[in-house]
Amino acid sequence: DTAVSQTPKYLVTQMGNDKSIKCEQNLGHDTMYWYKQDSKKFLKIMFSYNNKELIINETVPNRFSPKSPDKAHLNLHINSLELGDSAVYFCASSRRPGAGKSSYEQYFGPGTRLTVT
Amino acid sequence: AQSVTQPDIHITVSEGASLELRCNYSYGATPYLFWYVQSPGQGLQLLLKYFSGDTLVQGIKGFEAEFKRSQSSFNLRKPSVHWSDAAEYFCAVESSNSGYALNFGKGTSLLVTP
Repeated sequence: DTAVSQTPKYLVTQMGNDKSIKCEQNLGHDTMYWYKQDSKKFLKIMFSYNNKELIINETVPNRFSPKSPDKAHLNLHINSLELGDSAVYFCASSRRPGAGKSSYEQYFGPGTRLTVT
Repeated sequence: AQSVTQPDIHITVSEGASLELRCNYSYGATPYLFWYVQSPGQGLQLLLKYFSGDTLVQGIKGFEAEFKRSQSSFNLRKPSVHWSDAAEYFCAVESSNSGYALNFGKGTSLLVTP
């Protein structure tokens, strides 16, 4: 069973289009994330989300928006796609640490390679 | 903000040789540190993590890492490298001001020669 899944695996689209990437986790986690990996393999957090709090990396354009229909899903919507949005997008999930407790590891999906032409 | 630095962009080792990948962190308190591996075209797999306690942590695939507070380092080691270890390796630190997201280093690409 896949713990964190993403669809589609590959997405090729033209500039100006709107697209979505879906993410689902079956681990019972309550916190999910979206990361972007650029062409130089650098990974950067875009969003951190649980059912109470959305934390947005200030460098992320507002064309990007996460939407969570339920705790097991965190989809990524991208409006007006630009060439610079081409990258691999990773979804991840983890349990959320309680106050004073240790953190928990994040489990990553297989990634979605987005190519904007 | 918490951050990590991986000084080596590329490393080449011979199969069977030992390996050490460097990671330095920047954080005032005890950080939560991780090493992930990414094989070509794949997602990220956790090798090991350090939260507290014993500073030498064991991970999967024969990897280990040692947390050294005095040197602000969390280097990854393996005594004998296999050709299948060729991959991209990422050190990461948890960022408490980003909803517990990970701040990754820029990665070290490992090439294993016969």
